[in-house]
Amino acid sequence: AQSVAQPEDQVNVAEGNPLTVKCTYSVSGNPYLFWYVQYPNRGLQFLLKYITGDNLVKGSYGFEAEFNKSQTSFHLKKPSALVSDSALYFCAVRDIAGSGSARQLTFGSGTQLTVLP
Amino acid sequence: ETGVTQSPTHLIKTRGQQVTLRCSSQSGHNTVSWYQQALGQGPQFIFQYYREEENGRGNFPPRFSGLQFPNYSSELNVNALELDDSALYLCASSLEGTRGGNVLTFGAGSRLTVL
Repeated sequence: AQSVAQPEDQVNVAEGNPLTVKCTYSVSGNPYLFWYVQYPNRGLQFLLKYITGDNLVKGSYGFEAEFNKSQTSFHLKKPSALVSDSALYFCAVRDIAGSGSARQLTFGSGTQLTVLP
Repeated sequence: ETGVTQSPTHLIKTRGQQVTLRCSSQSGHNTVSWYQQALGQGPQFIFQYYREEENGRGNFPPRFSGLQFPNYSSELNVNALELDDSALYLCASSLEGTRGGNVLTFGAGSRLTVL
């Protein structure tokens, strides 16, 4: 079975400071990893994904994430936070070799990011 | 290109009733997935449809059923509603067979309240 853990329910950071939202995962094989963002009363929006290759993945709105296989982590980062980045962030994993129900994306419980002006 | 649209946006039902939620996939996508997002939780996979057949299902009872139509639109049906079915139901479409992991495009969701 595959799973995702987001250990922090809430992350607060001052505008202009770097931000990190943590994610660890568990799959039986190799993972596809994703970050999505959810604004109030909206669906989830794709930010970035890791498939293979470079461990540092760059995505939308200046976000990036670092894949660390040994630590089974995929932390989301941004060098300089904006107030508009305040939202709910979800990490998700899928087993590359998954079929049937294993093709699903498994999401973490989410981390509420608040960027303070 | 149009995104994923869902209807209705909000609805209220009572226990024991049945509900149908609808979804129009993003143009060019051939796969639709449904997720349930309870308050304060991450989305939970319900099932996925490809070529009008269910090809993956999460840990949800049979009273959750679905359809995918030739135009790739989809329905989620829930029978015998329970209070715990109250949640945001998210539809997501994708292009199956894309190398490197399918990126899901989500709709804004249908918020169901069961009283």
